[in-house]
Amino acid sequence: SQWGEENLQALSIQEGEDVTMNCSYKTYTTVVQWYRQKSGKGPAQLILIRSNEREKRSGRLRATLDTSSQSSSLSITGTLATDTAVYFCGVYQGGRALIFGTGTTVSVSP
Amino acid sequence: EAGVTQSPRYAVLQEGQAVSFWCDPISGHDTLYWYQQPRDQGPQLLVYFRDEAVIDNSQLPSDRFSAVRPKGTNSTLKIQSAKQGDTATYLCASSPGQGVNSDYTFGSGTRLLVI
Repeated sequence: SQWGEENLQALSIQEGEDVTMNCSYKTYTTVVQWYRQKSGKGPAQLILIRSNEREKRSGRLRATLDTSSQSSSLSITGTLATDTAVYFCGVYQGGRALIFGTGTTVSVSP
Repeated sequence: EAGVTQSPRYAVLQEGQAVSFWCDPISGHDTLYWYQQPRDQGPQLLVYFRDEAVIDNSQLPSDRFSAVRPKGTNSTLKIQSAKQGDTATYLCASSPGQGVNSDYTFGSGTRLLVI
């Protein structure tokens, strides 16, 4: 597997809470992309973070990237029930297309 | 802008049967990807194209799977003799160019059940 065990998670939280999910990878990359996949749909890109950014924000989302530890995180503040989904991080391996981890399932209760 | 369109939405086969999946990417996107997503797993790359050329099909089970994109627009993924282990969602994605800064747009996928 390409991914560390911490990428395999299921989190259940209440609306309004904050959540952070982590992703570790073994291949060299300068870019990590985070995607969200809702039930019955394809993944949708949330945020792209480059190695020279370390942190990037988009609305309630915050992504970090630490190339020295080969890890990235995605945080969602003030979660809504509509944030219920599986979240994936994706990296490029050797110039190929994106490869994805197993994902983190987030369930937000109203 | 229209998204990535895939058909059919669902397919149920018996082992040994053949099936084809069709993908219409976003207009102007020259790169097209096929991913296989088993239940409770992340998408796994099968093959991708730049225009009509196959760039990487190293993860495509070549004895039973084939993929084409003859005019550099629509694409078809075919399984010749399906096995129960092929049960998964098959996702198509497209992007304008390739490389680390490319934004992928995924279709809703085709759910395949092989019994």
